[in-house]
This record gives sequence, structure tokens and C-alpha cells, in this order.
Amino acid sequence: DSGVTQTPKHLITATGQRVTLRCSPRSGDLSVYWYQQSLDQGLQFLIHYYNGEERAKGNILERFSAQQFPDLHSELNLSSLELGDSALYFCASSAGQGMSSYNEQFFGPGTRLTVL
Amino acid sequence: KNQVEQSPQSLIILEGKNCTLQCNYTVSPFSNLRWYKQDTGRGPVSLTIMTFSENTKSNGRYTATLDADTKQSSLHITASQLSDSASYICVVTGGDKIIFGKGTRLHILP
Repeated sequence: DSGVTQTPKHLITATGQRVTLRCSPRSGDLSVYWYQQSLDQGLQFLIHYYNGEERAKGNILERFSAQQFPDLHSELNLSSLELGDSALYFCASSAGQGMSSYNEQFFGPGTRLTVL
Repeated sequence: KNQVEQSPQSLIILEGKNCTLQCNYTVSPFSNLRWYKQDTGRGPVSLTIMTFSENTKSNGRYTATLDADTKQSSLHITASQLSDSASYICVVTGGDKIIFGKGTRLHILP
């Protein structure tokens, strides 16, 4: 158990819909990262938040957005869903401030999104 | 182009044997290189983290090496166990980038 929690575990929805994925970081970690893992693309970095502020963006689509709240939990919002958005979505937390910090990232168990 | 290439794509070995996985990268700038173990359907678990000044890092039966000059890393697994069956992912970070390799799928046979 990494100490990072993600809900829901599974999500099945239809194209065009909007969903929200939730992540609670390990106690004391201020950084939250979101990743997408699909069968053909592997793991891809989406976005990084540190203490409520967006710090870096990766391959995140404009239909996707995220935020980190004062209690440090984070939500990833996916809208206008397409079949290709079906994937595992992971969040990870870290004590480090920057993406290149030496601090270990601890991954949550993931949310499996299926778009029908 | 920033890339992380891993080889082999998949590997099958007998329990108790050793194996070495390879990672070549072209990410610039370079901050650190990480190896993760990922069981199917679960989140990756960190094995090692190395900066350019570190040549070797061990974590139990896992030993990672880094050659920052040739931009190559390897992960050596000693005395493999059935529980080592998983995907092993090499990740390079630098600046505002995190680049993942596609992983090596390792199967340990009894």
C-alpha cells in the first residue's frame, strides 16, 4: 500500500460524457502527478500540481483539466469523452517540489476508465 | 526528440536465474533516471532513482547502473523469483519533462 488513494477504482461511461477522478496523496506530500496509461502509448505524464498550484503540463488534452484543493487532494476532470480516452489513470504523490526532484513518487492503485 | 527506449520488449527466464534489462535515453536536459516495477493492473512501484553522478544503485536483488555519457542504464535482477514477473519501466526526468519507456515484460518460469 503506497498510501495514495484513488477513487473510483473502475468507471464505465459513454462517449461525450464527463467524469471526475479523485486522488488523495500520502500524508505530508505536497506534489500530485497525474498519468495516463493506455495499451498502445504506455505511461504518459499529464499534469503536476504542487501545494495547490499547477507546475507542469505534459500531454494533457484540452478536454482534460485538473486541480489540487487546499486539503491537497486532487481531481482530474475528463470531458467530451472519446473511445480513445479509455485507459488506466494513475496519480502519484511526492514530497518533492519539482518534477526533477530526487524524491520518490508513490503511485496510487489507479482508476480504470472505459468509454463505450 | 526526447525518447526512452527499452529492450528487450519481453523476456522469459527460469526461476533462480539472473537477467539484465536495458534502457537508452535521449532526454535533455537530464535530472534523474528511475526504474519502476509494475504488476499487471497496479500502480508502478519505485525500485531505484539515480542522478548523473551515480553509477550504481541497489535495492535488494535489483541493481541499476547508469552511464550518463552514453545515456544508457541497465537493471540487473539477481536470483529471480516468481514474484519478479512484472513489467519494468525506465523513466527519465529533466526540466519539466517526465519521459517513460514502454517497459520490458518479464516472465519468470518455475
